[in-house]
Amino acid sequence: GDSVTQMEGPVTLSEEAFLTINCTYTATGYPSLFWYVQYPGEGLQLLLKATKADDKGSNKGFEATYRKETTSFHLEKGSVQVSDSAVYFCALRGPDSSYKLIFGSGTRLLVRP
Amino acid sequence: DVKVTQSSRYLVKRTGEKVFLECVQDMDHENMFWYRQDPGLGLRLIYFSYDVKMKEKGDIPEGYSVSREKKERFSLILESASTNQTSMYLCASSSMTSSYNEQFFGPGTRLTVL
Repeated sequence: GDSVTQMEGPVTLSEEAFLTINCTYTATGYPSLFWYVQYPGEGLQLLLKATKADDKGSNKGFEATYRKETTSFHLEKGSVQVSDSAVYFCALRGPDSSYKLIFGSGTRLLVRP
Repeated sequence: DVKVTQSSRYLVKRTGEKVFLECVQDMDHENMFWYRQDPGLGLRLIYFSYDVKMKEKGDIPEGYSVSREKKERFSLILESASTNQTSMYLCASSSMTSSYNEQFFGPGTRLTVL
């Protein structure tokens, strides 16, 4: 079945460092891909998305490119801030599914001043 | 501003108790979801509802039931709580007409079963 694999955390960075959180997926066809973020004490919120191969999703300085050839959707940010400390979830929705999201296990990011 | 609210942020119950978790959304969304979130496992879908009185089992429905009597409200029921149901429970909603069905999440209920 469809699945999402994320790098294990926690990831600890200093402020202004470059961030990469790896995400790879297994799915039939062409899924839609998402990154959700969960700030402390809050629910998840959509960070960015990509619905077809080679699409780049971007928001709040974060970017991720849908790579069909490597089945990946890695999250990147050029310069992290303390306020980016959160748990990040990669997710996919299969092409045959109108609603169901498959989530990765989440990666905790801690940014130190 | 869109909103999904959950009845409690923290809940402590005893083994064998019947537990109700309530979720309300104000976006007139058709779809509503209940997930549980556990460290290292991410989010796992318990139940899904696409309309009033309609429900579908998710990946881990055992030990849970749901109720959707009104469009805006989706309840998760633990008929007889057990310690392995200690977890964070997240409710979400989405619109069928959205092109990519973005899910909007509530803040979660952290349930402890003693």
